This record gives sequence, structure tokens and C-alpha cells, in this order.
Amino acid sequence: QVQLQESGPGLAKPSEDLSLTCSVSGYSISRGYYWGWVRQPPGKGPQWIGTGFHTGYTYFNPSLKSRATISVDTSKNQFSLRLSSVTAADTAVYYCARVIGSISAPLDYWGQGTLVVVSS
Amino acid sequence: DIQMTQSPSSLSASVGDRVTVTCQASQDIGTSLNWYHQRPGRAPKLLIYEASILDTGVPSRFVGSGSGTDFTLTITSLQPDDFAIYYCQHYGNFMYTFGQGTRVEIK
Repeated sequence: QVQLQESGPGLAKPSEDLSLTCSVSGYSISRGYYWGWVRQPPGKGPQWIGTGFHTGYTYFNPSLKSRATISVDTSKNQFSLRLSSVTAADTAVYYCARVIGSISAPLDYWGQGTLVVVSS
Repeated sequence: DIQMTQSPSSLSASVGDRVTVTCQASQDIGTSLNWYHQRPGRAPKLLIYEASILDTGVPSRFVGSGSGTDFTLTITSLQPDDFAIYYCQHYGNFMYTFGQGTRVEIK
């Protein structure tokens, strides 16, 4: 059974960088699949952040204006998100997820989510 | 950018009802369309991908159809676990776009 678990600070200060990690169990990241990050501001719908592959290939939502970085650590079977210069608008539940290799690239396994509040 | 518009924004229904949610794309997206539902406090759960393919373990009462710009998710007989928010989602040109969601509530 594939399981994903997000971890990271629940609180960040404005202008700081935010780092989150997704630990994967039940599947080896190095075998394939893409891995993504999605966030959901309180009371709103999901917003895709970015997606990465174990080779280091990544692509992101242009609305984040290059503030996001994704890295994959196959030795730890984890992938991480770094979001720079956060503001209150980055307050959200952050989810990591696995991407199925189909034309519609659906997200089939999700972590439970971690709430990040940006506040001074 | 492609926009995904869902309707209705919310609906009330009873257990056993047939329920339909629609999703319209701002341009032709073929069958690159997925459906999820999300219960309160939980992560979204994949129901259907490529417009009509049921994900593993998803009950057959969930039926997806459509192609091009118009898509439909039908729940043939609403069950208590189905009261949730439903989202359509498109992937194309290295970009994911979610619809705004349809809340299915108990009548």
C-alpha cells in the first residue's frame, strides 16, 4: 500500500522560506512516477504547485513566479518543496501526491496534508 | 490558460438519488479530465481519470463521461459517504487546473 506523509513547520513568518518534505512508503520513488505538491487555502479549492521526477526534472505553476523548488531524494524515498519569500497568501493545507502516468496525469495517492500558517 | 467551470456550485440530494455534476473547459481538452471528491478535513480522492476510467476500488455508481469541452460526473445512487465536494481537474501543457468545486449536501 502506497502511503505519503507530509512534514514541516506549521508556522512560517512573512518573507521567510518554507520547506516541506513528503515521505513515501510502499513504493520506491526511483522506480518511476512523477510526484507533486498541491495546496488548498482555507475554504478554497486545490491549487497545483509543481511536479517532479526522480531524475530531477521539475515543472511548476507559473502563478508562483519561480518561488517554488522541488527536490527528490531517492536514498530517503522522499521529495521536498521549498517555497521562498512566503506571504499570508501562502497560508494553506499543503498536500503531496503521486502522479499516474496517463494522458490526464491524475493524482492517485495523497498525503493527509499539513497546515501551514504564514503570520508574524 | 484553460479554465474549468463546474456547475452547479452546490446541490442538495437524498440517499438513493441520481446526481449529476458538470464541468466545462474553456477549450478542447480531449479526455484529459479527472474527477475527485473531498470529504471535510480529508485529502481529495481520485474517482475517475481520462474522463471515464474508474480508479481502482472506486464504486461503479460513479460514472464519468464527455470529451472535448463538456464533461459529466454522475452518481447513479447517492450513498451517505458521497456527501462531499467534487472537483474536476485538467492536465495539459505541463499545467494542472482544478474546477471551483461542487458541494453535494444532504437534503
